[in-house]
Amino acid sequence: DVKVTQSSRYLVKRTGEKVFLECVQDMDHENMFWYRQDPGLGLRLIYFSYDVKMKEKGDIPEGYSVSREKKERFSLILESASTNQTSMYLCASSLRDTSYNEQFFGPGTRLTVL
Amino acid sequence: AQSVSQHNHHVILSEAASLELGCNYSYGGTVNLFWYVQYPGQHLQLLLKYFSGDPLVKGIKGFEAEFIKSKFSFNLRKPSVQWSDTAEYFCAVTRNNDMRFGAGTRLTVKP
Repeated sequence: DVKVTQSSRYLVKRTGEKVFLECVQDMDHENMFWYRQDPGLGLRLIYFSYDVKMKEKGDIPEGYSVSREKKERFSLILESASTNQTSMYLCASSLRDTSYNEQFFGPGTRLTVL
Repeated sequence: AQSVSQHNHHVILSEAASLELGCNYSYGGTVNLFWYVQYPGQHLQLLLKYFSGDPLVKGIKGFEAEFIKSKFSFNLRKPSVQWSDTAEYFCAVTRNNDMRFGAGTRLTVKP
């Protein structure tokens, strides 16, 4: 079974703090993704990576950065957290061809920024 | 911009009722289609997918979906829902490695 784990289920941070969200997958998938999930908006892609040290912006990259130093690990960084970044953050991974391969999701991190 | 539309935001049904959740997309050309489900407190998981061939695809837990190319639709159906089907359902469409999700439909099944 593919397993995607995220470092925290719940996180509370203060405005202006630097926040790190970690994601690890154990199936040697090439692709990894970070989404945010908001009610009524579904999943919106923040960043994705198709290889180590490679990254591509998604639809809403502003205020975020990512790091992929190892194939199994993909980190999302909020450089200076703001209240509008309060959301559920989902990590996913897939084999290389995203068009044909399902994405496997982690349990999510619910981030609250006060 | 390419988009995926799920018109029903919240559907409430009684057990044994039939279900149909709509999904429409605006992509042209060849697409691949997915339905994911998120049960309360659990992670998103794949229900079913369509790449080619028979436009009626069957997934887990008695769900099926029909791809109608002329209508740009991929509606999800189940003949008789159960209380355990209470969840949020997301349609997703991929084309050329670009995957887009709909806003989701919350299904509540009353016992």
